Amino acid sequence: EAGVAQSPRYKIIEKRQSVAFWCNPISGHATLYWYQQILGQGPKLLIQFQNNGVVDDSQLPKDRFSAERLKGVDSTLKIQPAKLEDSAVYLCASSLVAVNEQFFGPGTRLTVL
Amino acid sequence: QQQVKQSPQSLIVQKGGISIINCAYENTAFDYFPWYQQFPGKGPALLIAIRPDVSEKKEGRFTISFNKSAKQFSLHIMDSQPGDSATYFCAARGTNAGKSTFGDGTTLTVKP
Repeated sequence: EAGVAQSPRYKIIEKRQSVAFWCNPISGHATLYWYQQILGQGPKLLIQFQNNGVVDDSQLPKDRFSAERLKGVDSTLKIQPAKLEDSAVYLCASSLVAVNEQFFGPGTRLTVL
Repeated sequence: QQQVKQSPQSLIVQKGGISIINCAYENTAFDYFPWYQQFPGKGPALLIAIRPDVSEKKEGRFTISFNKSAKQFSLHIMDSQPGDSATYFCAARGTNAGKSTFGDGTTLTVKP
């Protein structure tokens, strides 16, 4: 069974630029999560999708972050414009349904200069 | 407000020793407590999990102890091996498969 795929694996941008991350969840998984993991901290949920609907985006900075899940499968997370404090690893995870185990992708390491 | 507090921040044990990582939570609405293992460059992977209706769960060398009244739970790694060297995160999930809140992690180093 293929795992959660994310790209790119690394991205370096300057502040005020925009960036987008892509996630392909495990086939058949209805629930998809985006987490932000700042160095030395645990993952923090940014947004949770159930199929293509948003379940929880209470911690998503909506003035600069946006996310969508196309046709309930792949998802993209965008930051525009980026700030220095956005430097982090962005993790995507999926689960069959919300009560089941979450499987994490390898993450995208973002550095904002 | 940090809802899940994890300690210690880092831990060094000798091969064959016992590693113990502790977590405390505040929200009594949490009903699922997983532990994740994360290697450098990888995403977290579920190691073991417990629900509050049991006080202990064991899977191989890994054991979760849960104290509902104290709102604390811990991970015990018996016979620790160098391959166990990783960062460990505790988490707590709200009822009805609500949002998961993670601790800040413990970096474990097992010396040969």
